Amino acid sequence: SQTIHQWPATLVQPVGSPLSLECTVEGTSNPNLYWYRQAAGRGLQLLFYSVGIGQISSEVPQNLSASRPQDRQFILSSKKLLLSDSGFYLCAWSVKRDLTDTQYFGPGTRLTVL
Amino acid sequence: GDSVTQMEGPVTLSEEAFLTINCTYTATGYPSLFWYVQYPGEGLQLLLKATKADDKGSNKGFEATYRKETTSFHLEKGSVQVSDSAVYFCALSRSTNAGKSTFGDGTTLTVKP
Repeated sequence: SQTIHQWPATLVQPVGSPLSLECTVEGTSNPNLYWYRQAAGRGLQLLFYSVGIGQISSEVPQNLSASRPQDRQFILSSKKLLLSDSGFYLCAWSVKRDLTDTQYFGPGTRLTVL
Repeated sequence: GDSVTQMEGPVTLSEEAFLTINCTYTATGYPSLFWYVQYPGEGLQLLLKATKADDKGSNKGFEATYRKETTSFHLEKGSVQVSDSAVYFCALSRSTNAGKSTFGDGTTLTVKP
């Protein structure tokens, strides 16, 4: 069966510090991968998605970046965090041959920027 | 572009009450429609889905029917439990949209004993 891991689970970082969040998927190959952010009490905002290694599409301009160095690994980064980067970050994957594009979410990383 | 509009929350019900959370959408073509649920401190998980008009998705006592004529996918449950307290997201996807989904803003449900 497929599983998706995210780490760390929680993170407290000072403003201006760098960020690296990691997501890995097991039990599938060549998935679509996604990074979402969920601000407190708000809906989901799609940040990045990837259809393959090294292929990243950005949905919103911001100081975050994403990379996909391996087929089942998706990394969210920042060189300098802002207060507004606080939130709950969710990684998700979907199967390309599934035309319904059902998304499977990881457990999330709670980021607090102070 | 695609959009999903959900009933605003929060919704507070007593145990065994009937639940309806409204969801309407705007999209070209024939999207697939979903309800996802998020329990406190967790990621989202698929609750149910429907892929074509008049399909009914169901799971754990929840149901939603794909109504193309009204562009709606309302979530219903006949008798809610305290354990149903969560945030519910309506979403759509189109196979021509590079695997991306469009989510509503979420509706928080609290069920009191």
